[in-house]
Amino acid sequence: AAGVIQSPRHLIKEKRETATLKCYPIPRHDTVYWYQQGPGQDPQFLISFYEKMQSDKGSIPDRFSAQQFSDYHSELNMSSLELGDSALYFCASSLEKREGTDTQYFGPGTRLTVL
Amino acid sequence: GQQLNQSPQSMFIQEGEDVSMNCTSSSIFNTWLWYKQDPGEGPVLLIALYKAGELTSNGRLTAQFGITRKDSFLNISASIPSDVGIYFCAGQLKWVQGAQKLVFGQGTRLTINP
Repeated sequence: AAGVIQSPRHLIKEKRETATLKCYPIPRHDTVYWYQQGPGQDPQFLISFYEKMQSDKGSIPDRFSAQQFSDYHSELNMSSLELGDSALYFCASSLEKREGTDTQYFGPGTRLTVL
Repeated sequence: GQQLNQSPQSMFIQEGEDVSMNCTSSSIFNTWLWYKQDPGEGPVLLIALYKAGELTSNGRLTAQFGITRKDSFLNISASIPSDVGIYFCAGQLKWVQGAQKLVFGQGTRLTINP
C-alpha cells in the first residue's frame, strides 16, 4: 500500500538559510500534519491542514510557514534557520471525511541539520 | 496543556518475555494510538483505539482504551528481537470533523537480550 512520501530525506543547511520540506500524503487522504522531533524527544505538533485550509497550529515558530496545495501535498517552509531547528520533521496524513478513518499515518521523515 | 505520562521510560528484557507499558493523562481523549519508531524512521501505527473500554489485538500486541478515557496500555507477548524500538502512545481529542493533532507520550525504549 502507498505510504506518506517526504522529501528530501536528509537536508543540511547553514544558519540563516531557508529550507523547504515536502510531503505527499497517502492517496485520497485530505489532511496533513507536521511534527517536529528533537533528539530523544517525542514528536511535537507544528501545524495541520484539512482540505487545503489551515486547521490547527501548535508550537510553530513565526519563521516557519506551511501550506497544502490543490493536489493535497504540503510544504513546510523554514526561514532564518537556527541551530535549534535541527531535528526530524515528520508529515502525517489522514482521511477526515469518513468517520472512524482519521488515523494518522506517518512518513519516513526529513532529517534537517543546521550547521 | 494536555500531557501524557508514559511508563516505563525504558525496558530491558529477555527474548520471549512479555512486555507491558502504559500511558496516563490528566485530561480525556477519544482516540488512543500506539506507534513504534525505529531510529531515524517515522512512527509506524500498531494499534488504534476509538472507544472507551475497547480491547484490541494485533498479533502479539494487545492494547486497551481505559474506561475513564484517560489511560491506555499496550502489551506485547513473547517478545522477539524485532520488537526492539521506541514505543509511543498518542492521544487525540476530536469532536468535529477536521484535523486534530496527536499528543504523544515520552516513549518507552525497549531493548531485548537474545
